[in-house]
Amino acid sequence: GEDVEQSLFLSVREGDSSVINCTYTDSSSTYLYWYKQEPGAGLQLLTYIFSNMDMKQDQRLTVLLNKKDKHLSLRIADTQTGDSAIYFCAESSGSSGTYKYIFGTGTRLKVLA
Amino acid sequence: KAGVTQTPRYLIKTRGQQVTLSCSPISGHRSVSWYQQTPGQGLQFLFEYFSETQRNKGNFPGRFSGRQFSNSRSEMNVSTLELGDSALYLCASSLPGQGGLGAGYTFGSGTRLTVV
Repeated sequence: GEDVEQSLFLSVREGDSSVINCTYTDSSSTYLYWYKQEPGAGLQLLTYIFSNMDMKQDQRLTVLLNKKDKHLSLRIADTQTGDSAIYFCAESSGSSGTYKYIFGTGTRLKVLA
Repeated sequence: KAGVTQTPRYLIKTRGQQVTLSCSPISGHRSVSWYQQTPGQGLQFLFEYFSETQRNKGNFPGRFSGRQFSNSRSEMNVSTLELGDSALYLCASSLPGQGGLGAGYTFGSGTRLTVV
């Protein structure tokens, strides 16, 4: 079945860039998302990209999509301690009423001061 | 505007009991989805409700059920609780059909259920 995979941990120094990677298997994905989960909280939508795009930039966040390799990445520039959280990649496919939504296992980002 | 509200935040139950969790979506959001989050399994989709009807369902046993009311508020129920049901249960709301169409979900903070 469809699957979304992420590495479990990433540690970076404050001020450096972080790159979180994700691979997915569903070639019919319509949208791909990045969510952030802070301790004790739900998931917060950070950004998303439509499957016919290959890049999207939103302030410190850059999303790159390689549809051929089914690879998605999230780059956080100038990483801050407040960026420490779990980051989930997700993909959706289908149409209204029949879509599927699959989350990755999450990458725990630790930012060292 | 108010976010997605889940109650209660924390719950402790014993094996064999049943539990009901509540979710109030963002005003105007008619689609409500439920997820189970555990350290080992990540986020697993339980079900989605739209206009009081279950529209999608994940691979969970029949002990897990839900419903949605006319005001879009949703409840999920777990009967005959097992230790493995201990998890963070997250509710997410979205505009009609938008959960898969780019706008994404707005999640609540979850209900942490512990079964002892």
